[in-house]
Amino acid sequence: QQQVKQSPQSLIVQKGGISIINCAYENTAFDYFPWYQQFPGKGPALLIAIRPDVSEKKEGRFTISFNKSAKQFSLHIMDSQPGDSATYFCAATHMNTGNQFYFGTGTSLTVIP
Amino acid sequence: GAGVSQTPSNKVTEKGKYVELRCDPISGHTALYWYRQSLGQGPEFLIYFQGTGAADDSGLPNDRFFAVRPEGSVSTLKIQRTERGDSAVYLCASSLNGGGNTGELFFGEGSRLTVL
Repeated sequence: QQQVKQSPQSLIVQKGGISIINCAYENTAFDYFPWYQQFPGKGPALLIAIRPDVSEKKEGRFTISFNKSAKQFSLHIMDSQPGDSATYFCAATHMNTGNQFYFGTGTSLTVIP
Repeated sequence: GAGVSQTPSNKVTEKGKYVELRCDPISGHTALYWYRQSLGQGPEFLIYFQGTGAADDSGLPNDRFFAVRPEGSVSTLKIQRTERGDSAVYLCASSLNGGGNTGELFFGEGSRLTVL
């Protein structure tokens, strides 16, 4: 059973546009939601993360929006750049009692110059 | 080292053979994780070590898979009687005190296993 569902599977955006990736989860015990960025041949690297006590977190061009009641969260990449072209994974875990990070299936983002 | 180091980067083996994959975590990180990533999928949890002990091995798919971390640093993932379905990238990650404290996993570049 997929604990975290991610969409879309792939995304093509023009340079300067906004990239939006969505994730949904079922387990209400999850309380930490990170996004990881992965380039080909590399391991995933933490991009940005959010706790459910806030509805939004922004770091530079990257913003997480969190909707606790809907059990959904999304990544917004503003002013998308070709260097942002990568695969993005959302994840979820329960910080205090669990050490399993459940990852989504990934979104392949291509930013066209 | 500066980051998580995994060896070998690529391993091709024949069905039925035994393989070992090694992970050298970031110095001082007590938590170590093994994940498996199949093509087009997200990382799938295999096992988590806190220090020398396996705190959670619920993700290991069957008894052909085993992992050790005898001195609380380097870990080895061992796969016996490999099958074609074991082909994947095996990712190792480390964390300062475990995901429950810092939340950030530092991943290595992975070991790509191909079983012919």
